[in-house]
Amino acid sequence: EAQVTQNPRYLITVTGKKLTVTCSQNMNHEYMSWYRQDPGLGLRQIYYSMNVEVTDKGDVPEGYKVSRKEKRNFPLILESPSPNQTSLYFCASSLSSGGPDTQYFGPGTRLTVL
Amino acid sequence: GDSVTQMEGPVTLSEEAFLTINCTYTATGYPSLFWYVQYPGEGLQLLLKATKADDKGSNKGFEATYRKETTSFHLEKGSVQVSDSAVYFCALRTNAGKSTFGDGTTLTVKP
Repeated sequence: EAQVTQNPRYLITVTGKKLTVTCSQNMNHEYMSWYRQDPGLGLRQIYYSMNVEVTDKGDVPEGYKVSRKEKRNFPLILESPSPNQTSLYFCASSLSSGGPDTQYFGPGTRLTVL
Repeated sequence: GDSVTQMEGPVTLSEEAFLTINCTYTATGYPSLFWYVQYPGEGLQLLLKATKADDKGSNKGFEATYRKETTSFHLEKGSVQVSDSAVYFCALRTNAGKSTFGDGTTLTVKP
């Protein structure tokens, strides 16, 4: 089944403790992206990657890191999480970075930073 | 920068009522436009899209037309069902890979 998977689905952590949220897709998509969803703010793009070893900042990259060493994986790293990073995170992928291409979303990771 | 403005919610309708959710955008160039739907506890999934001016996207009875002159992409459905209750997001995407989403509109349909 074609899908985007994220792990973990739920995570509660404390300020300053490094964490990684994994994202994997099995559709051989070139493009992958991370978003955060907050009430009243919709989805905001954190980082995106147009291909292996190519990443770029979205609208809210501060406090996050990403890497794209393999086509299928695009982990999101929080080196020193803070409470304002408590949010619902979505990973997405698409065939290319082209505007018309549909993005396929993972199920989401709910992160709470205490 | 690019932006998407959606009609504020929440929206509550009775079954079989007509639905309109307004969406306007600002963008440089010629973005593609999307409507995504999010059911409780799930990720977003594509509802419909349009990739150039005057294109009409449609799916499951929902429609939206890409209006360049009014920079709008309003979502409509003639007769809503309880199963349409969800959060709806309007979004644009440029060829540079950047995506911008609206704040989302929560729709509740009552029997």
